[in-house]
Amino acid sequence: GENVEQHPSTLSVQEGDSAVIKCTYSDSASNYFPWYKQELGKGPQLIIDIRSNVGEKKDQRIAVTLNKTAKHFSLHITETQPEDSAVYFCAASPGSARQLTFGSGTQLTVLP
Amino acid sequence: GAGVSQSPRYKVAKRGQDVALRCDPISGHVSLFWYQQALGQGPEFLTYFQNEAQLDKSGLPSDRFFAERPEGSVSTLKIQRTQQEDSAVYLCASSLDGGLQTGANVLTFGAGSRLTVL
Repeated sequence: GENVEQHPSTLSVQEGDSAVIKCTYSDSASNYFPWYKQELGKGPQLIIDIRSNVGEKKDQRIAVTLNKTAKHFSLHITETQPEDSAVYFCAASPGSARQLTFGSGTQLTVLP
Repeated sequence: GAGVSQSPRYKVAKRGQDVALRCDPISGHVSLFWYQQALGQGPEFLTYFQNEAQLDKSGLPSDRFFAERPEGSVSTLKIQRTQQEDSAVYLCASSLDGGLQTGANVLTFGAGSRLTVL
């Protein structure tokens, strides 16, 4: 089955700096890669996703890049703000929501 | 409803007790998922419904775990004879459809039910 590895497990940045979280996956059939943000006591919330026919996708301060050859994808957050502090999860799927495999999460702390 | 609603938010059970966790998905969402999230880990898939049909239960860790969605909306996850290793947050998610080939298939998660087995 699919295996998704995520790093770093914790990340602290100064407000205004950029944050990068990286994930690798094992199943070459995976073609859907969402990123979720989870705040304390809440469920994961989708923040951005990318499909295998696209190399990069941006949404305001958030961007995701995908390298299918190397089987890795990354989340980039620019101009970080304290409200970006949360746990971020990457996930991969070969094409069905029921087959989402999540990484182990990154605790991002944005220091004011 | 506006979001996925789960109850109870917190449940403490003694080892050996049975528990039932409820999920109210977004109205009209065809697909419903249960995930288990251990402390400090990512969610792990348990089971999937399309309407009332349970199409995939490959993630259920043992036959003590049972899920149902009899009328294709509300779902219940039942855990019999709870064990300490069952302690986790149980997340329910729903989507308009279960596939990921169109933009309508975003998973919306509930806040989860935190189960603690003593």
